[in-house]
Amino acid sequence: KAGVTQTPRYLIKTRGQQVTLSCSPISGHRSVSWYQQTPGQGLQFLFEYFSETQRNKGNFPGRFSGRQFSNSRSEMNVSTLELGDSALYLCASGLRSGANVLTFGAGSRLTVL
Amino acid sequence: GEDVEQSLFLSVREGDSSVINCTYTDSSSTYLYWYKQEPGAGLQLLTYIFSNMDMKQDQRLTVLLNKKDKHLSLRIADTQTGDSAIYFCARQTGANNLFFGTGTRLTVIP
Repeated sequence: KAGVTQTPRYLIKTRGQQVTLSCSPISGHRSVSWYQQTPGQGLQFLFEYFSETQRNKGNFPGRFSGRQFSNSRSEMNVSTLELGDSALYLCASGLRSGANVLTFGAGSRLTVL
Repeated sequence: GEDVEQSLFLSVREGDSSVINCTYTDSSSTYLYWYKQEPGAGLQLLTYIFSNMDMKQDQRLTVLLNKKDKHLSLRIADTQTGDSAIYFCARQTGANNLFFGTGTRLTVIP
């Protein structure tokens, strides 16, 4: 059974650009959550999607957005990149929305220059 | 999450047991997790415990949950050099958002 797949694994952008990251959950899982990991702030929840609807949202500015497709794959987008957006972005896959065991992907490491 | 706390560092000798501790403040947690992160990698789920359990054992791993004190621990028996990594505890409420601790860097000395 394939795990959670995140693409791209690494990318470099410059300030002001935008970026789109992709996450394919485990087959049969319908919930995808996104997290940002930085040395200063640690692991922080961005948002969760289930059945193509955003169910929960963390405390991030509107530059961070996401969506989910009918096949449960999810994308997150960051517009007008800032240096502080440099981070490891992790997605987590779950069977359903609500409390259930989450499995993480390997992450997408974004560097903003 | 500022309401989940862990000590930052732990060093043990190979073959000894490691105990990583975690405290949290919100008693509404449903699942509590332990994740392992190796350098440059994502989060590997090690084990989890439901909030109505006190203990869970899985091979070399033992999780203890003290709900009264809001204390969670992970014991790794016969610690190996391959166990060197950062260990995160996390709590989950009713939604799929996890609140993570700061992580404990475990160093295993050969």
